[in-house]
Amino acid sequence: GAVVSQHPSRVICKSGTSVKIECRSLDFQATTMFWYRQFPKQSLMLMATSNEGSKATYEQGVEKDKFLINHASLTLSTLTVTSAHPEDSSFYICSASPRIGSYLGYTFGSGTRLTVV
Amino acid sequence: DAKTTQPPSMDCAEGRAANLPCNHSTISGNEYVYWYRQIHSQGPQYIIHGLKNNETNEMASLIITEDRKSSTLILPHATLRDTAVYYCIVRVVAAGNKLTFGGGTRVLVKP
Repeated sequence: GAVVSQHPSRVICKSGTSVKIECRSLDFQATTMFWYRQFPKQSLMLMATSNEGSKATYEQGVEKDKFLINHASLTLSTLTVTSAHPEDSSFYICSASPRIGSYLGYTFGSGTRLTVV
Repeated sequence: DAKTTQPPSMDCAEGRAANLPCNHSTISGNEYVYWYRQIHSQGPQYIIHGLKNNETNEMASLIITEDRKSSTLILPHATLRDTAVYYCIVRVVAAGNKLTFGGGTRVLVKP
């Protein structure tokens, strides 16, 4: 079945540094990928829609200059948290669909737990 | 996409059927009902989806009312590994359409 690989699974970084998270579709091409963040005991919040070869679409209230998204190929999207601060500590999750508009559910990565110290 | 309402939590006994309700009274005719679950510290996992007919797969059954304003996810024989947060989502199937998560139901399967 469709597999989405997310890396790293955990990362600790110092305040002010940048962190890159990768999301790969292993056995299918994904024209569109989605990035979510999740705080403890809360639901997933959609941050942005990543489109291959074009600019990402950000949800209201998400700073696009802080959360840089690049979707350079049909199998890879990256999320870079720039100038990270402790309040950016969260669980970041990506998802993709094997076929856009597919009736099948989107496949999710296993998530990246970011801790900013 | 239409809004969904789910109970925040529920317990069920291991080996028994777990029935998870979801209200989606404003669902549109072209919106599907999807169910996902999230086990602690993992990404969500697709369970099942349906439009108007009842559906069954190896994981669960989905019962959708005739007016489509509510649905029930049934886990036929709950195990401890089914402990998770279950999300009911309604969505139009369209190119690049996003999934929006509500609060979900935190299910605790007890021995």
